[in-house]
Amino acid sequence: QQQVKQSPQSLIVQKGGIPIINCAYENTAFDYFPWYQQFPGKGPALLIAIRPDVSEKKEGRFTISFNKSAKQFSLHIMDSQPGDSATYFCAASKDAGGTSYGKLTFGQGTILTVHP
Amino acid sequence: DSGVTQTPKHLITATGQRVTLRCSPRSGDLSVYWYQQSLDQGLQFLIQYYNGEERAKGNILERFSAQQFPDLHSELNLSSLELGDSALYFCASSVGTRIYNEQFFGPGTRLTVL
Repeated sequence: QQQVKQSPQSLIVQKGGIPIINCAYENTAFDYFPWYQQFPGKGPALLIAIRPDVSEKKEGRFTISFNKSAKQFSLHIMDSQPGDSATYFCAASKDAGGTSYGKLTFGQGTILTVHP
Repeated sequence: DSGVTQTPKHLITATGQRVTLRCSPRSGDLSVYWYQQSLDQGLQFLIQYYNGEERAKGNILERFSAQQFPDLHSELNLSSLELGDSALYFCASSVGTRIYNEQFFGPGTRLTVL
């Protein structure tokens, strides 16, 4: 059962463009939504994360928009650069009775290519 | 470099065999997570340990087992290997068990079952 659906599978933009990656979740108990960036041959690395008490979070050129009622969240990359070319994963996690075990449920990933 | 180390980097073995993957967490991290990454299933959580104790289990097969030792390193044991077990196996570590404790991923072990 896939609890986090991510789209698109792949995305190609020109340098300076604003790629947008979308995720939708089913489990309303999720209350932590991180995005991970993965380069070929490397493990995923945390990019930015949001909790559902805010609708937007910005860190540098990366912005998460969160819509709790629609159970959707998205990643926007401003002024994208060729160095941003990577696979991006959204994820979700839930607190369990006050002591979370932190396990992440990942989306399927989006391969982003930024052309110079 | 995340500070999480995994060995070996690559592993090629035959069906029916048993292998052990090793993970050393970042200094000071007590939680270790194991994930499997494959083309068809994506990144899937397998199991989590905190300070030597199992804390959460995901879609981990009965043929797979893990443990965390007193020095906090962890091992993932895969037995009776099948072709479908070919995947990248990642270990991640975090300081605690809260959902907002950042998980730092290692470089992974690529397992190929022939």
